[in-house]
Amino acid sequence: AQKITQTQPGMFVQEKEAVTLDCTYDTSDPSYGLFWYKQPSSGEMIFLIYQGSYDQQNATEGRYSLNFQKARKSANLVISASQLGDSAMYFCAIISNFGNEKLTFGTGTRLTIIP
Amino acid sequence: DAGVIQSPRHEVTEMGQEVTLRCKPISGHNSLFWYRQTMMRGLELLIYFNNNVPIDDSGMPEDRFSAKMPNASFSTLKIQPSEPRDSAVYFCASSLRDSQDEQYFGPGTRLTVT
Repeated sequence: AQKITQTQPGMFVQEKEAVTLDCTYDTSDPSYGLFWYKQPSSGEMIFLIYQGSYDQQNATEGRYSLNFQKARKSANLVISASQLGDSAMYFCAIISNFGNEKLTFGTGTRLTIIP
Repeated sequence: DAGVIQSPRHEVTEMGQEVTLRCKPISGHNSLFWYRQTMMRGLELLIYFNNNVPIDDSGMPEDRFSAKMPNASFSTLKIQPSEPRDSAVYFCASSLRDSQDEQYFGPGTRLTVT
């Protein structure tokens, strides 16, 4: 079984500052993938970034980067130079690379960017 | 390229009525997923199709729920009869190969059962 824990239900960050959204996970599988999704108030789920458990380098996509610490089982999302449009719910998710496993989501963190 | 398309975007129906939600995945994607999102339970996978074949339907709540994928470009999720506790946002998502690939979500259908 897999589990994602997002301990920050809500965060307020000043515009242009960097923000780190926490994500810890639990899995017994040696090979897995970690995802971050953004859900703005309009409701759609937007894929942001992916990290494979065997990837040597932390994933980056534009202003998004993933601080992957395998020994600590954490996969924090870092958003640099935050913008007002970054205000949204952010979900961390995990899937095993073995078999037809389900993508398991965390409960999410609501990020609000303050002008 | 068009993303995942879902219809309707909003549905309000009375308890006991049949509800059909529709999804068109991204062209060329081989996997399709139906999710339900509620405040209490978060995002839950209901069913997963690969190459039009249901692979995992263990998340389907009960016999009132059924899903079909008659071809690679269309899927339906049907609830019959609907109940107030089915009120939720239902998302369809697709991925290029299988469940390990990143999934691209549709805009969702907000279902309200009164």
